[in-house]
Amino acid sequence: AQSVTQLGSHVSVSEGALVLLRCNYSSSVPPYLFWYVQYPNQGLQLLLKYTSAATLVKGINGFEAEFKKSETSFHLTKPSAHMSDAAEYFCAVSDPAQGAQKLVFGQGTRLTINP
Amino acid sequence: KAGVTQTPRYLIKTRGQQVTLSCSPISGHRSVSWYQQTPGQGLQFLFEYFSETQRNKGNFPGRFSGRQFSNSRSEMNVSTLELGDSALYLCASSQGDYNEQFFGPGTRLTVL
Repeated sequence: AQSVTQLGSHVSVSEGALVLLRCNYSSSVPPYLFWYVQYPNQGLQLLLKYTSAATLVKGINGFEAEFKKSETSFHLTKPSAHMSDAAEYFCAVSDPAQGAQKLVFGQGTRLTINP
Repeated sequence: KAGVTQTPRYLIKTRGQQVTLSCSPISGHRSVSWYQQTPGQGLQFLFEYFSETQRNKGNFPGRFSGRQFSNSRSEMNVSTLELGDSALYLCASSQGDYNEQFFGPGTRLTVL
């Protein structure tokens, strides 16, 4: 069964600094990978997704992620943090063989931006 | 286009009661999935419906059930509520497999 591990439940960066949120996955087949963001009292919003078309995926709000099969990683980055990026971020995987719509989420990383 | 709507947004119940949560997907979306979010267990998949049929189910007891109507609206029901059922229940809709899932704001259920 697939699983997702997010390293670091809390990450704090200064405004303007690089944002790096780590995600490692476990899957027996090439997976579909996603990053979602959740703002307080809201649902999840898709930032970006990897579906094997390209290893470097660009998403909304300046975020991007790189799929590295050899490292089973899909880390999320943003070159320059903005105060509005403060939120909780979730990495997720789906295994088409177990149902394309079934997302398995990591535990989440809360991102804090310091002024 | 209107987003995914969930009603009610907040709900307080007592142990042993049952509850029904509603989800209206984006117009044209035929797939509806439900997730439970708790501080301890995180986000967990409950089930997915497509064209009124349950296609996939997570590891939850039979007290959790759902259904989908011909207009794609979905409901989930939890019977004999337990304290541990307190959670944010999220609904997501999509056009189908491999399409983006759009999440609603959730229903926050508190069981006393």
